[in-house]
Amino acid sequence: EAGVTQFPSHSVIEKGQTVTLRCDPISGHDNLYWYRRVMGKEIKFLLHFVKESKQDESGMPNNRFLAERTGGTYSTLKVQPAELEDSGVYFCASSQEGVVTQHFGDGTRLSIL
Amino acid sequence: KNEVEQSPQNLTAQEGEFITINCSYSVGISALHWLQQHPGGGIVSLFMLSSGKKKHGRLIATINIQEKHSSLHITASHPRDSAVYICAPQVGGGADGLTFGKGTHLIIQP
Repeated sequence: EAGVTQFPSHSVIEKGQTVTLRCDPISGHDNLYWYRRVMGKEIKFLLHFVKESKQDESGMPNNRFLAERTGGTYSTLKVQPAELEDSGVYFCASSQEGVVTQHFGDGTRLSIL
Repeated sequence: KNEVEQSPQNLTAQEGEFITINCSYSVGISALHWLQQHPGGGIVSLFMLSSGKKKHGRLIATINIQEKHSSLHITASHPRDSAVYICAPQVGGGADGLTFGKGTHLIIQP
């Protein structure tokens, strides 16, 4: 069974540019989560999809961040325009409906110059 | 809001030593996860437990729900155990998001 996969593994862009991160959850997992770890701080929840619907987006930092999950399969997280404080590792996790255990992807390391 | 405290924040030990990492949280939870983040950044889920103790290889995780405390132990530590270990309590049933501790940065020297 393929795990949660994230693309790209590392992205380096300049301030003001746009970046799109992608997450492919485990097949059949309705729940998809995005998290972020900024350097030196704890991992923070960003948002939670159930299928294609946003269940909870209380952790999204501001309107420069846009998450989508078309068709309830893969999800994208777009940052536009990127700012220096957006640098960090962005993690995606997925789980089956009603199951507590989340499966994590390897993360995307985002560096804003 | 669930306040999560991990200790120690940093730990350097010699190969073969017994390692203990502690996690305390402030509210009742349904489960607690221990995660491992390697220098490359990827996260691996080590344990998910809601009571008692679980063992996987040289790793042991315990939880005391009444005391709101969990520990992760590593026996016969090895340099490849060097990583950041993160405690993540989960509030509520079902598939809610997790609250994460700041992590314990562990270095095992040969």
